[in-house]
Amino acid sequence: DIQMTQSPASLSASLGETISIECRASEDIYSNLAWYQQKSGKSPQLLIYAANRLQDGVPSRFSGSGSGTQYSLKISGMQPEDEGDYFCLQGSKFPWTFGGGTKLELK
Amino acid sequence: EVQLVETGGGLVQPGRSLKLSCVASGFTFNNYWMSWTRQAPGKGLEWVASITNSGGSTYYPDSVKGRFTISRDNAQNTLYLQMNSLRSEDTATYYCTRVRYYYVMDAWGQGASVTVSS
Repeated sequence: DIQMTQSPASLSASLGETISIECRASEDIYSNLAWYQQKSGKSPQLLIYAANRLQDGVPSRFSGSGSGTQYSLKISGMQPEDEGDYFCLQGSKFPWTFGGGTKLELK
Repeated sequence: EVQLVETGGGLVQPGRSLKLSCVASGFTFNNYWMSWTRQAPGKGLEWVASITNSGGSTYYPDSVKGRFTISRDNAQNTLYLQMNSLRSEDTATYYCTRVRYYYVMDAWGQGASVTVSS
């Protein structure tokens, strides 16, 4: 199985700060990576797919990058509504696997 | 508007069975793969099962293979998850998801809570 190592596990950011979350795959996943945001008590929402493609309706302050085994999600200018948990997902091979998650809080 | 509504969750004893349903609306159901993903209390996400748009092929991780069965009724726009031989570690919220671009789960239901306990 492909292991997805996500870091950091938690992060506290100030209003307007730019932050990055990383996911490292145990093997090349050929950009078959998605990022999800989950707010407290809610279902996950798709932010980014194919490593860098922004889902319709997602604010442009969210961006994704990476290739091979290394991927990142960037939020350019933290907003209060960005608080929540973030997960990466690899879909290169079955079983699809998620990263362990990053809890993002507003400082 | 895409909607996925799960039903069938509840409290079940270890070793027993439970079947979840997910009714889809707002899109052409038989054009999409569908999946189930779960989240144990306070934990991360775990993919549980996927099915092709025709229902001809299904996929599972080892943790549920042989115990869980995903199926669909395209005439009724409904996705199912039959869960047998349930274990305490199957306790989770189960999300029904629509899949596009092969792996991208782009729409999620509100979740169905399953608790396996004696």
